[in-house]
Amino acid sequence: AQKVTQAQTEISVVEKEDVTLDCVYETRDTTYYLFWYKQPPSGELVFLIRRNSFDEQNEISGRYSWNFQKSTSSFNFTITASQVVDSAVYFCALTGFQKLVFGTGTRLLVSP
Amino acid sequence: GVTQSPTHLIKTRGQQVTLRCSSQSGHNTVSWYQQALGQGPQFIFQYYREEENGRGNFPPRFSGLQFPNDSSELNVNALELDDSALYLCASSLDVETGFHEQYFGPGTRLTVT
Repeated sequence: AQKVTQAQTEISVVEKEDVTLDCVYETRDTTYYLFWYKQPPSGELVFLIRRNSFDEQNEISGRYSWNFQKSTSSFNFTITASQVVDSAVYFCALTGFQKLVFGTGTRLLVSP
Repeated sequence: GVTQSPTHLIKTRGQQVTLRCSSQSGHNTVSWYQQALGQGPQFIFQYYREEENGRGNFPPRFSGLQFPNDSSELNVNALELDDSALYLCASSLDVETGFHEQYFGPGTRLTVT
């Protein structure tokens, strides 16, 4: 069975600090996808990135970057120069059969 | 985008509830998730071409429907206090062509008293 672990329950940073959110996953599938979603206080899950298991290239999108390491089953997410608007709960997710398996989320609090 | 109604709902234990979702245009696969407070979303079931296409570890009193116009419903019978949660609907492209990004609606927050 698939499993996603986000060991950091809550992280507090001051604006402009860099922050890394950890994600460790377990799966026996050889082909799978990993996702990150952002959930602001409004509740809606906002899609950030999808990465397939055959593509270990790191990706950068503006202030966001993702580090996928298959050898350690990790898919970490870094926000550079954090901003107050980044405050939210962030979920890492893994594809299972016809579904997404989510971690328990990391709450990020960015203070001015 | 994906829309859900109602936004909030309060029901009494033992009652029945219907939650509604309208998928993103062009999407024909809809998945429902339950998110308890402080937890990640848990998969309830998925519908594709109006038929159930996978189910999580939820009892039969959780049921669903998908309509030809890509709207869908989640029905919960005999509500229990533990059913209090945020219910999220997610739509995606044709599931038969692979796993596609799931786009989530804003959710319906159900409170059972």
